Amino acid sequence: AQSVAQPEDQVNVAEGNPLTVKCTYSVSGNPYLFWYVQYPNRGLQFLLKYITGDNLVKGSYGFEAEFNKSQTSFHLKKPSALVSDSALYFCAVRDIRSDKLIFGTGTRLQVFP
Amino acid sequence: SQTIHQWPATLVQPVGSPLSLECTVEGTSNPNLYWYRQAAGRGLQLLFYSVGIGQISSEVPQNLSASRPQDRQFILSSKKLLLSDSGFYLCAWRGTGGYGYTFGSGTRLTVV
Repeated sequence: AQSVAQPEDQVNVAEGNPLTVKCTYSVSGNPYLFWYVQYPNRGLQFLLKYITGDNLVKGSYGFEAEFNKSQTSFHLKKPSALVSDSALYFCAVRDIRSDKLIFGTGTRLQVFP
Repeated sequence: SQTIHQWPATLVQPVGSPLSLECTVEGTSNPNLYWYRQAAGRGLQLLFYSVGIGQISSEVPQNLSASRPQDRQFILSSKKLLLSDSGFYLCAWRGTGGYGYTFGSGTRLTVV
């Protein structure tokens, strides 16, 4: 079965520093991977996706993610964090057979001024 | 452009009362539609999904039901709410040929 894991419940980073939010995946076949962000009491917003091609995927708001097949990881990164980046981040994988999007448990990112 | 509407934004209902949450999609046809529940501001649980009118798949046994009376309308219902039905409910859609989902703004349901 397809799954993703987000090993960190919370990530704290100072404004201006680089940030990384971790995600590892377990799939059979080629993975379709996604990152979403959720602000308080809001729906999920799409950040970026990896389907095929370059391992470094660029997305919205200056975020990027690196697909690493050997480590089965898809970590979300940003070179310089902003306080406004503070939110809940979800990694997800699309199960091709069932057409379901399977989410990780989420990582709360807190950026301190 | 495609948009998804979900209402109401917040809802407070007494235990034992009925529930109806509505989700509609505009600007696309024959979308796959999904209902998720998010408890305690964290994980997302897929409740129902639909690939067409009248076609509903349930992921987990529960006190809720879903219906799709029209191509771009997805309704989440309950005949009698339980305290445990409280949570943040999210509707999502995926167009044919698309890869990711687009989410509605969510409904915060509090059962008292």
